[in-house]
Amino acid sequence: KAGVTQTPRYLIKTRGQQVTLSCSPISGHRSVSWYQQTPGQGLQFLFEYFSETQRNKGNFPGRFSGRQFSNSRSEMNVSTLELGDSALYLCATQDGTSREQFFGPGTRLTVL
Amino acid sequence: QQQVKQSPQSLIVQKGGISIINCAYENTAFDYFPWYQQFPGKGPALLIAIRPDVSEKKEGRFTISFNKSAKQFSLHIMDSQPGDSATYFCAANDFGNEKLTFGTGTRLTIIP
Repeated sequence: KAGVTQTPRYLIKTRGQQVTLSCSPISGHRSVSWYQQTPGQGLQFLFEYFSETQRNKGNFPGRFSGRQFSNSRSEMNVSTLELGDSALYLCATQDGTSREQFFGPGTRLTVL
Repeated sequence: QQQVKQSPQSLIVQKGGISIINCAYENTAFDYFPWYQQFPGKGPALLIAIRPDVSEKKEGRFTISFNKSAKQFSLHIMDSQPGDSATYFCAANDFGNEKLTFGTGTRLTIIP
């Protein structure tokens, strides 16, 4: 089985811009979660989607949003980028039987 | 109450030795405890996970010990190798809530 894929792998944006990140889950995985990883805050949960519905949301401002498509692929969007949004954004998909979550390689976002 | 505390922050172990990383949690609803390994520039990779109905789980050189009454769990890496040098994260969640709450990470260095 192919693993979790994330595109793009690297992004450089400037303050005020918006960005869209994409995640393709492992085949058969219907749950997709997004995490932000920074040196200061560690790994923080953004939100989780299952069957095109957001089931869980972390404590991030409304500038962070996501969606899931009928094929379970997911996108997250960050609007009005701030310097503090520079981070590694990770997508994880879950095996519904074992509850194991598998992470993609991440998208490294740099906001200048 | 969602916190997972991880220690030590960094650890240096000689090749062939035992690496031990500890985590403590507060939320008694947590019932799934995975450990992830992360190399620089990569996403976290699932190493091993345990549920609270067992006190120990072993996979190869990796062992999780779980103490439900103390709300603590630990990762033991036997016969540590230089290739084990990475950052290790403990995590936890509860059934029906796919959000993983992560520890702050341990940077493990195995020296020859």
